[in-house]
Amino acid sequence: GQNIDQPTEMTATEGAIVQINCTYQTSGFNGLFWYQQHAGEAPTFLSYNVLDGLEEKGRFSSFLSRSKGYSYLLLKELQMKDSASYLCAVLDSNYQLIWGAGTKLIIKP
Amino acid sequence: IAGITQAPTSQILAAGRRMTLRCTQDMRHNAMYWYRQDLGLGLRLIHYSNTAGTTGKGEVPDGYSVSRANTDDFPLTLASAVPSQTSVYFCASSDSDTNTGELFFGEGSRLTVL
Repeated sequence: GQNIDQPTEMTATEGAIVQINCTYQTSGFNGLFWYQQHAGEAPTFLSYNVLDGLEEKGRFSSFLSRSKGYSYLLLKELQMKDSASYLCAVLDSNYQLIWGAGTKLIIKP
Repeated sequence: IAGITQAPTSQILAAGRRMTLRCTQDMRHNAMYWYRQDLGLGLRLIHYSNTAGTTGKGEVPDGYSVSRANTDDFPLTLASAVPSQTSVYFCASSDSDTNTGELFFGEGSRLTVL
């Protein structure tokens, strides 16, 4: 079966750096997405990786290793507003999005 | 403001009742999707539409139906609601029918079936 694994919850300190990991086992691969979802709100797009390597976008970076079935989202200079759930999703060979359950990130002052 | 609008935002209904969740987008996106989100689970695709006039079944289609009469509207109907359909429902759209583009989500409809 297809599976996306990411930690259920993480805690970090304001101003610090946190890395949220995502491992996947899917039938084929056509890209990996990260979305941010604040409590009670809709998910919003953060990043899309289809080639190996690091994609940087401001304080957020996303890394992909297709051979390892692994991605991470790196958040730098954490702010209180970064408290949210972070969803990893993989596009499989049928171009269907397979979603992880999300990682709830708690930022402490 | 361009975007995707869902209604109602919240609804409580009795089991056995019929319910339609509305979704409208003004971005002229070809593809639209309905997901449900339950605690501890990832978003699960109910139905999708790659273009007006066509629809397809997702991962959890049973008990739900959709229609896509035009580009903008994609309503989701529960013919006879059951408690297991209690969930938060998100409508989404994208500019690409291969799902390689960014998904834009509505604000969600919280449905409680008693």
